[in-house]
Amino acid sequence: AQKVTQAQTEISVVEKEDVTLDCVYETRDTTYYLFWYKQPPSGELVFLIRRNSFDEQNEISGRYSWNFQKSTSSFNFTITASQVVDSAVYFCALSGGAQKLVFGQGTRLTINP
Amino acid sequence: DGGITQSPKYLFRKEGQNVTLSCEQNLNHDAMYWYRQDPGQGLRLIYYSQIVNDFQKGDIAEGYSVSREKKESFPLTVTSAQKNPTAFYLCASSIFGTRGDEKLFFGSGTQLSVL
Repeated sequence: AQKVTQAQTEISVVEKEDVTLDCVYETRDTTYYLFWYKQPPSGELVFLIRRNSFDEQNEISGRYSWNFQKSTSSFNFTITASQVVDSAVYFCALSGGAQKLVFGQGTRLTINP
Repeated sequence: DGGITQSPKYLFRKEGQNVTLSCEQNLNHDAMYWYRQDPGQGLRLIYYSQIVNDFQKGDIAEGYSVSREKKESFPLTVTSAQKNPTAFYLCASSIFGTRGDEKLFFGSGTQLSVL
């Protein structure tokens, strides 16, 4: 069975601080895909990034970066110099082959001015 | 603009009543999904459809029903058999629904509450 754990239920930081959201996953598939989605107060989830199990390169997109480590089954997300607009619920998700996405419980991130 | 439209934004259900949540997409995607979101539990898959006139149960299908008569539409009915229907319901779509690497596009959700 596939499982995604986001142990941090809520995080609150002051603007401009760096913050890391943790994601740990379980799967028996050798080919799988990891995702991060952002859910702002408006409600819809927005896709941020996708990684396949064969690509362990870290990725940076502006203030966002992702660290994928198969050895620890983790796919962590870091926001550098956080801004109030980053406040949202963030979901990590996993799919294997043709299986449907399994989501973590989500981390509510609050950036205080 | 292409996207997914869910309506209504808020819905109230009386005991013993069936209610239907609307989901329409103009992205020309084959696959559509319904998720339920409860606080602290993430998203759980209710039903999904990869093609018109066909759909499959997800992890928590009991008490729900769907139809897929048109590619653009995937309405969800919450029946009276669903004893705990209060939740945030999200509709999503993807291009094919047959590959694990597909990203999902989401609507803005419907909050269902019981009166």
